[in-house]
Amino acid sequence: GESVGLHLPTLSVQEGDNSIINCAYSNSASDYFIWYKQESGKGPQFIIDIRSNMDKRQGQRVTVLLNKTVKHLSLQIAATQPGDSAVYFCADMDRGRRALTFGSGTRLQVQP
Amino acid sequence: NAGVTQTPKFRVLKTGQSMTLLCAQDMNHEYMYWYRQDPGMGLRLIHYSVGEGTTAKGEVPDGYNVSRLKKQNFLLGLESAAPSQTSVYFCASTPRPPRQETQYFGPGTRLLVL
Repeated sequence: GESVGLHLPTLSVQEGDNSIINCAYSNSASDYFIWYKQESGKGPQFIIDIRSNMDKRQGQRVTVLLNKTVKHLSLQIAATQPGDSAVYFCADMDRGRRALTFGSGTRLQVQP
Repeated sequence: NAGVTQTPKFRVLKTGQSMTLLCAQDMNHEYMYWYRQDPGMGLRLIHYSVGEGTTAKGEVPDGYNVSRLKKQNFLLGLESAAPSQTSVYFCASTPRPPRQETQYFGPGTRLLVL
């Protein structure tokens, strides 16, 4: 079956730098995409989402970019903080099935 | 407003034993989901429900059953636990898609099958 995957399993950045986490999806029927943050021992926490009719959406310190041509999704975190250290998952939703497919996750490590 | 809660938080089973995981949400959400998460992997959908009294299979449904007798509760059952079902189980809920897609997750249930 089709799935969502991630390019980098671990990303290490310095505090204050910008972080970019990438994700590739393969399901051409997907029309909704979400980024989740998961801290150790906790459930996934919603960060930001984007629909397929958009190519960019901004939050407080986060931006999601969607390139439907190459089926690529990215999460940009500005001025990364130690509290941003976690595993980040992208997920996409098939417009027919209405259920999320998750990628395997990228661990973000913020160095002080 | 407690959001999505899961019980128990942790459980150890022997192979062949049965158990039920309970998910409850107080947000009046229509859709509810059960996922499992294995080490180093993303979440995989086991079963989901689009409303009270309805359930559907997800990506990895074998060995599990579910029931949605009440809108606020979604139960996941393991009739005969196997070591391969050792995992962390997450429940999620969402208001009625497609107007609102965001899934809200519970804290997880850690299950160890010996």
